[in-house]
Amino acid sequence: EPEVTQTPSHQVTQMGQEVILRCVPISNHLYFYWYRQILGQKVEFLVSFYNNEISEKSEIFDDQFSVERPDGSNFTLKIRSTKLEDSAMYFCASNGPSGQEKLFFGSGTQLSVL
Amino acid sequence: KNEVEQSPQNLTAQEGEFITINCSYSVGISALHWLQQHPGGGIVSLFMLSSGKKKHGRLIATINIQEKHSSLHITASHPRDSAVYICAAPNTGNQFYFGTGTSLTVIP
Repeated sequence: EPEVTQTPSHQVTQMGQEVILRCVPISNHLYFYWYRQILGQKVEFLVSFYNNEISEKSEIFDDQFSVERPDGSNFTLKIRSTKLEDSAMYFCASNGPSGQEKLFFGSGTQLSVL
Repeated sequence: KNEVEQSPQNLTAQEGEFITINCSYSVGISALHWLQQHPGGGIVSLFMLSSGKKKHGRLIATINIQEKHSSLHITASHPRDSAVYICAAPNTGNQFYFGTGTSLTVIP
């Protein structure tokens, strides 16, 4: 079965550093998402992306965050200047072609900001 | 204010029991997703439904659009069903609202 792939599985960084989390969505999917889950808390929506544009973003997704689909296969989440409170598991997901299908999740990137 | 409410938060059942998890939402949604989060943290989509009922194996999901309510049922529960079950509702723009999850433990 096709999979959404996320790298790295773990990322440790110092506060104030930039991090890029990478995702390879399923190849024929057109809608891409980033979510995060702080330890012990519920999953939170960050952003949805379609046709090379952000279609929706949450209040969490402030100017420190950006997403990009640089080469037609990768889908990246960049955090420009990490804060301690950015420590969380970040999940990428995709679906398509209408965005009204089941979601396929990657296995997540555990980000630890020290 | 939570746009999506789940109940119960925690549920312990004996193997073989019939389980129901409920989800109510207040946002206008295009569909409703039921997700399963394994103890290791991975998330799997169980169902996406916009009306009626869907069944997959021992799992059944129903939705009542007028009442803004969905249920996930597990028949003949098994210890391997132990996980966190999450209800998620996207609005028409695909902004997702998540429930807090129901932690299910099935005891042999």
